[in-house]
Amino acid sequence: DAGVIQSPRHEVTEMGQEVTLRCKPISGHDYLFWYRQTMMRGLELLIYFNNNVPIDDSGMPEDRFSAKMPNASFSTLKIQPSEPRDSAVYFCASSPLWGQGPNNSPLHFGNGTRLTVT
Amino acid sequence: GESVGLHLPTLSVQEGDNSIINCAYSNSASDYFIWYKQESGKGPQFIIDIRSNMDKRQGQRVTVLLNKTVKHLSLQIAATQPGDSAVYFCAEKRPGGGADGLTFGKGTHLIIQP
Repeated sequence: DAGVIQSPRHEVTEMGQEVTLRCKPISGHDYLFWYRQTMMRGLELLIYFNNNVPIDDSGMPEDRFSAKMPNASFSTLKIQPSEPRDSAVYFCASSPLWGQGPNNSPLHFGNGTRLTVT
Repeated sequence: GESVGLHLPTLSVQEGDNSIINCAYSNSASDYFIWYKQESGKGPQFIIDIRSNMDKRQGQRVTVLLNKTVKHLSLQIAATQPGDSAVYFCAEKRPGGGADGLTFGKGTHLIIQP
């Protein structure tokens, strides 16, 4: 099991540039999540998908952020234009089962993309 | 405010001793809890989970205890090893919520003294 794979591991860009983060979930996991982690705010949910369909994007901070999942094995998070306050570690996670009852499986996280916007 | 929190931001223990990391949660209706370990430069790694219909669950060297009366969750690590040094997060899932119903605590930094 290769786990959740994210790329790139590090991204340094200038303010105003477009940034695209990539994620490959664990095969067979129907749920995919994008989180952002900062020292001040901890882990924050940005958006999550079920079977490639966005379910909740209320955590996406602004219209500058967008996420897609064109197929079951790939998702992108795009920031355009990027700003210094977007600097954080962005995590992708996947899970085989997630719902409104107690029958859930834990989220499995990738190793993240550390984004620095100067 | 923070619905899931930790009593101590840093915990220092001697190698070989048992560690206990505590977590308080605020929603008495939360039905699922997860503990994660995060090492420097890596993503959160699943350790163990527990559902609200249980009060104890054991894994390899780890035990999670859930006290719903006082809304308290703890992670016990037996015979702590240097590789256990990391930040530990608890996460709480509110009932009826999707992924936004999962709240992470700020984390406790576990330091292993040789």
